[in-house]
Amino acid sequence: AQSVTQPDIHITVSEGASLELRCNYSYGATPYLFWYVQSPGQGLQLLLKYFSGDTLVQGIKGFEAEFKRSQSSFNLRKPSVHWSDAAEYFCAVGAAGNTPLVFGKGTRLSVIA
Amino acid sequence: ETGVTQTPRHLVMGMTNKKSLKCEQHLGHNAMYWYKQSAKKPLELMFVYSLEERVENNSVPSRFSPECPNSSHLFLHLHTLQPEDSALYLCASSQVGDSGELFFGEGSRLTVL
Repeated sequence: AQSVTQPDIHITVSEGASLELRCNYSYGATPYLFWYVQSPGQGLQLLLKYFSGDTLVQGIKGFEAEFKRSQSSFNLRKPSVHWSDAAEYFCAVGAAGNTPLVFGKGTRLSVIA
Repeated sequence: ETGVTQTPRHLVMGMTNKKSLKCEQHLGHNAMYWYKQSAKKPLELMFVYSLEERVENNSVPSRFSPECPNSSHLFLHLHTLQPEDSALYLCASSQVGDSGELFFGEGSRLTVL
């Protein structure tokens, strides 16, 4: 069965600092991988996704993620964090067909001045 | 309108009330989902409708009753709820046979008194 682990429950970074949010997945075949962001009281918005091809994917709001098959990881990065990036971030894994996405428990990002 | 729309955005109800949450998607998708998001808990998949048929019901109490009259509309009927049912209820849609990418609504914040 698919599973997703986000080891960090809460991360605090300074504005302008770089960011890396970790995501590890468990899945037998090549997964479809996603990062979503959720602002307080809002729905989830897709940041980026990986299906195949180039293992470094670019997303919205200056985010990128790198798929590393050998480490079963799909970490999210941003070179310079803005205060508006404070939110909850969810990693998810899926597969072709009708299987619903499996989500991690999320990482809450706080940004300090 | 575009995307996934949920109404109402906020709902307060007593334990003996009957209310409904509504979700409408304008993306031409053929699968719809209800998720529950409680404070400090991971996203919980409640119901999945694929091609208007319920395909997954993750042991949700019978006081939650879903209805999917067509591929664009999804309802969650609420009856005799408990205070622990207070949460953000998220609707999502996807296209069967694709990657499983979910498109979320803004959520309905439910408070049960």
